[in-house]
Amino acid sequence: GAVVSQHPSRVICKSGTSVKIECRSLDFQATTMFWYRQFPKQSLMLMATSNEGSKATYEQGVEKDKFLINHASLTLSTLTVTSAHPEDSSFYICQALGNSPGTEAFFGQGTRLTVV
Amino acid sequence: ILNVEQSPQSLHVQEGDSTNFTCSFPSSNFYALHWYRWETAKSPEALFVMTLNGDEKKKGRISATLNTKEGYSYLYIKGSQPEDSATYLCALLNSNSGYALNFGKGTSLLVTP
Repeated sequence: GAVVSQHPSRVICKSGTSVKIECRSLDFQATTMFWYRQFPKQSLMLMATSNEGSKATYEQGVEKDKFLINHASLTLSTLTVTSAHPEDSSFYICQALGNSPGTEAFFGQGTRLTVV
Repeated sequence: ILNVEQSPQSLHVQEGDSTNFTCSFPSSNFYALHWYRWETAKSPEALFVMTLNGDEKKKGRISATLNTKEGYSYLYIKGSQPEDSATYLCALLNSNSGYALNFGKGTSLLVTP
């Protein structure tokens, strides 16, 4: 199956700094990338949808100025957590659509962010 | 946000036992139900994508059924092995989702020798 590579897998940063998470589709072109986060004992929740070449759409309650998404190419989408705070500590994971949307979904390995 | 419920939250079985998990979901505007197997530090691995009411799919010792009218799916593992230990996620797509998945919290399975 298709491969999505997500980096870093784990990051610890100081409060107030910014962290960039990258997701690359290695062997296919991902026109759409979804970003999810998971808090402890909760389900993966959709944060935003990123489409190549256009602005991302954010779910209710997700601050677009805090979680900057860039999808400048068909193989790379990035999520930048700006001015991170301890409450942003979470697990973040990306998902790309395959050629058959709805029946194919390809995930990165996830990023564990800890803000101290 | 669609309410997708999985039970049990966790399960501990002995090697050789058969087990099953439940995923329940709102049946309106159903499009597809995905099952994933997820190990720590790895990408979720797709097990099944189910679209038709009454569907039953099988992959080795793992099988799944789907009832879209009543809004549930079962995942079965026959003769559990330690390597089956993982978190099993179900995720719903409905026709309003725009292809984003609505996940349950997962069932964490531990199989001990």
